[in-house]
Amino acid sequence: EAEVAQSPRYKITEKSQAVAFWCDPISGHATLYWYRQILGQGPELLVQFQDESVVDDSQLPKDRFSAERLKGVDSTLKIQPAELGDSAMYLCASSSGVGINNEQFFGPGTRLTVL
Amino acid sequence: SQQGEEDPQALSIQEGENATMNCSYKTSINNLQWYRQNSGRGLVHLILIRSNEREKHSGRLRVTLDTSKKSSSLLITASRAADTASYFCATVSNSGYALNFGKGTSLLVTP
Repeated sequence: EAEVAQSPRYKITEKSQAVAFWCDPISGHATLYWYRQILGQGPELLVQFQDESVVDDSQLPKDRFSAERLKGVDSTLKIQPAELGDSAMYLCASSSGVGINNEQFFGPGTRLTVL
Repeated sequence: SQQGEEDPQALSIQEGENATMNCSYKTSINNLQWYRQNSGRGLVHLILIRSNEREKHSGRLRVTLDTSKKSSSLLITASRAADTASYFCATVSNSGYALNFGKGTSLLVTP
């Protein structure tokens, strides 16, 4: 069964360092999402891609976060510099279209701890 | 900001019992979805109910939607220990495709 892949699964870094997360969506899925989930809360959208284009990045802290999906397939989310408050689970999801009823498939997530 | 709010925050039941979780939301929606998350893992889609639907079933799951009250409920019948997880409702508005999640209900099913 096709799955969304993410790496690394766990990342520990010190504040002010740079970190990067990678996501490979299900093959053929045009839409890709990055969510951040703080412990005890639901996920919150950071950025949404349609193919290689950003559709929504209104909640992305652009002073320190960046995301790209250069060839419209896999994607990288970067934080530079990391802050203590960035400790969270970063989830990637993909869906096959932009339809409003499309199911999103989630990867296992990357748990980031900033010391 | 979180759109939905689940109730209760935590629920503990025994195997075989039914579990009911509620979700309230604030703005008009196109559809509402329920997801399950096992500890430290990604989310798994359970069921989607459209704004013009009132009830939907999938296996042991039953979801209701009351758009006049801006609320939904998820019923898990004959629960099993494997149902132990966090359950989230997520709404999709008519103007966007991103999911707006609530804070979740943590369900513990003991053998």
